Amino acid sequence: GAGVSQTPSNKVTEKGKYVELRCDPISGHTALYWYRQSLGQGPEFLIYFQGTGAADDSGLPNDRFFAVRPEGSVSTLKIQRTERGDSAMYLCASSPPDGEQYFGPGTRLTVT
Amino acid sequence: DQQVKQNSPSLSVQEGRISILNCDYTNSMFDYFLWYKKYPAEGPTFLISISSIKDKNEDGRFTVFLNKSAKHLSLHIVPSQPGDSAVYFCAAGYSQGGSEKLVFGKGTKLTVNP
Repeated sequence: GAGVSQTPSNKVTEKGKYVELRCDPISGHTALYWYRQSLGQGPEFLIYFQGTGAADDSGLPNDRFFAVRPEGSVSTLKIQRTERGDSAMYLCASSPPDGEQYFGPGTRLTVT
Repeated sequence: DQQVKQNSPSLSVQEGRISILNCDYTNSMFDYFLWYKKYPAEGPTFLISISSIKDKNEDGRFTVFLNKSAKHLSLHIVPSQPGDSAVYFCAAGYSQGGSEKLVFGKGTKLTVNP
């Protein structure tokens, strides 16, 4: 079966622009997570969805970051007024109830 | 403040030998622990996990040991194979307010030499 997919695989944008990153979880997985991984670091938690609602958004660094999952499946991570410090690999993961998190290949975001 | 620490950024072993990757944590609220493996240009892949009620979990060539009193876990790979060469991340989790977020270490790059 298909794994977690993320689009685009790479995104280059200019400082100050708006970007959207998409995640398609594994079918049937109720939980969805966004993480951010900077060079030389492990993934850092951003936000967690259970169904359509954000159950925990404590990892979002500031109000420029927002994520939605309107139908409980696909999720979009939105970043406004991008800054160079936002450059990182953005990883999405999904999990079944009481199951492990399965990660997608990530979106490499570069802000110039 | 890093709650999950992997103090060895890299490890090199010979094929057929044992690889031991270490991880320390500071938060005693963590109730389960996982190891993920990551190849370049791919997302992390789940490898093995252990609940805080156990001290050992084995899956084929991979064994994870948990020492709660020392807040330490380790991943043993035996025998090591060249295909095991990857970055290994230790992660810890807890159910807090309904969230099951994971806290990751910085990773250890394992190289298995033929």
